[in-house]
Amino acid sequence: EDQVTQSPEALRLQEGESSSLNCSYTVSGLRGLFWYRQDPGKGPEFLFTLYSAGEEKEKERLKATLTKKESFLHITAPKPEDSATYLCAVNTGFQKLVFGTGTRLLVSP
Amino acid sequence: GAVVSQHPSRVICKSGTSVKIECRSLDFQATTMFWYRQFPKQSLMLMATSNEGSKATYEQGVEKDKFLINHASLTLSTLTVTSAHPEDSSFYICSAPDSGYTDTQYFGPGTRLTVL
Repeated sequence: EDQVTQSPEALRLQEGESSSLNCSYTVSGLRGLFWYRQDPGKGPEFLFTLYSAGEEKEKERLKATLTKKESFLHITAPKPEDSATYLCAVNTGFQKLVFGTGTRLLVSP
Repeated sequence: GAVVSQHPSRVICKSGTSVKIECRSLDFQATTMFWYRQFPKQSLMLMATSNEGSKATYEQGVEKDKFLINHASLTLSTLTVTSAHPEDSSFYICSAPDSGYTDTQYFGPGTRLTVL
């Protein structure tokens, strides 16, 4: 069964304190791993797509990396506006996504 | 990125009534769209795949007679929750993949359904 597990469940950081979020996955055949940001009461906002081990993508303070079993979302010098839930999802085929339960990030000034 | 809209953003209805939610791709065509449900503090669960010109396909455990899906055009899919009950109260979100190589899914803003 395809599974996605995210850790930690919640993370509290001070502004400027860098950290990483983890996404472990078990799928029969990876057809893409996606990172999304979700603010309360809103739909997920696309951040990155990764396809193969060793791939990295960067956007402002965020950097996503991928290995054969997991992906990391690195947040460098976060700001309060980075506070959100970060979701990881894998494409299990036919464009269907299986999501992890997310990491709730709170960045304090 | 591509833009997906949903209407309404929130709806409150009485138990036993039906509610229709629209999902539109604004700047691209989508032969396939997806409907998800999200309960508080939980992640998104795929309910069904909406296919333009053919029947929707439903995930295991999702009642097709309760959640009617119609993909009327290349930019519009609708989800109708029939005979709604309080346990159907949830956040419903649609998505559509871009037409390019990446298959990236773009999500709508969601619809908050409350059944009294």
